[in-house]
Amino acid sequence: QQPVQSPQAVILREGEDAVINCSSSKALYSVHWYRQKHGEAPIFLMILLKGGEQKGHDKISASFNEKKQQSSLYLTASQLSYSGTYFCGTEGGRIQGAQKLVFGQGTRLTINP
Amino acid sequence: KAGVTQTPRYLIKTRGQQVTLSCSPISGHRSVSWYQQTPGQGLQFLFEYFSETQRNKGNFPGRFSGRQFSNSRSEMNVSTLELGDSALYLCASSGYGGLETQYFGPGTRLLVL
Repeated sequence: QQPVQSPQAVILREGEDAVINCSSSKALYSVHWYRQKHGEAPIFLMILLKGGEQKGHDKISASFNEKKQQSSLYLTASQLSYSGTYFCGTEGGRIQGAQKLVFGQGTRLTINP
Repeated sequence: KAGVTQTPRYLIKTRGQQVTLSCSPISGHRSVSWYQQTPGQGLQFLFEYFSETQRNKGNFPGRFSGRQFSNSRSEMNVSTLELGDSALYLCASSGYGGLETQYFGPGTRLLVL
């Protein structure tokens, strides 16, 4: 089951904050966040484990609510370089270590000067 | 470390032909996953290989196949190409054991005419 991301698109001015949500109808083992710029490969941002753990680096952080089967990505004081499409990839569990990510449809973030 | 490399970067084929795409993972990585990315369907999981064995498979027809060699390099093959196979094909490599980050290559853009 593909996770649902919201919003689908957001336009911000440089310095503003954004929140991107990722919701699943299934229990989650982990959530992976990626950013992709047009014509480029997705770049890894962070992984979150079930348990409500919050992670972050620089001005980008994320949380994972196991009970709600939801993860949120927080971008604070956004910079022009944050523009791109953000994807969450979810794992429902692993069998014999096999990894299979199911990605949301993406959230297009545009940062204007 | 060098990143994930994919060849060729661009490919034009006609309907009915077959195509083989190649992926070289990051040195030391033993898992290779393949994804198809299209504007309509987003990022969809094709299959994952580890130590020359397919561990996981997505919901794609049998025309899509893959293999992995002893040096962890992987190839995917699409036979009897259809117009709908036009897409960006991404491979991602990861290590083994525990929670692993998938690192994506630049992709092969396939156009089927």
